[in-house]
Amino acid sequence: AQSVTQLGSHVSVSEGALVLLRCNYSSSVPPYLFWYVQYPNQGLQLLLKYTTGATLVKGINGFEAEFKKSETSFHLTKPSAHMSDAAEYFCAVSWSSASKIIFGSGTRLSIRP
Amino acid sequence: ETGVTQSPTHLIKTRGQQVTLRCSSQSGHNTVSWYQQALGQGPQFIFQYYREEENGRGNFPPRFSGLQFPNYSSELNVNALELDDSALYLCASSLAEPGHITSGDGYTFGSGTRLTVV
Repeated sequence: AQSVTQLGSHVSVSEGALVLLRCNYSSSVPPYLFWYVQYPNQGLQLLLKYTTGATLVKGINGFEAEFKKSETSFHLTKPSAHMSDAAEYFCAVSWSSASKIIFGSGTRLSIRP
Repeated sequence: ETGVTQSPTHLIKTRGQQVTLRCSSQSGHNTVSWYQQALGQGPQFIFQYYREEENGRGNFPPRFSGLQFPNYSSELNVNALELDDSALYLCASSLAEPGHITSGDGYTFGSGTRLTVV
């Protein structure tokens, strides 16, 4: 069965600092991997996704993630945090682009001025 | 019409009542899934519909049911509401066919309906 573990329910960084949100997955087949962002009182917005091909995936708002099969990880990074990045971030896994999505429990990102 | 639209945005119901939540998907999006997101948690898969047929179900009791219509709209119905049903309910639709491997289309999520059961 597929599952997703996000390390750290809350991460706080200073504005301009590196953002690193950790995600590990378990899957018996090559997965589709996603990062979603959720702003307060809103739905989910896709930041980026890995399907096949290049393991370094670039997304919106300067975020990127690297698929490391040997480590079963898909960590999200951004070189320089902005105040507008404060939100809840969810890592997720799926078997295909339209199969059910298994979400992690989320990481709340706070940005200090 | 673009995007996924859910209605209502907020709803308060009494324990034991029934509720219907609605979702309007983009034209051509034959796959729709519903998720429940309790406060402080990640979304949990309720069920998926493809071309008006249920195509998969998560660990939710039968009092959670759904319908999908030919006009790309869908409904989530919950009977005999319980306090623990209080959550944000998210609808997501996709052009892709369930299980079909494609590097393109994924899901588009709506903004959700926040249901409070008192």
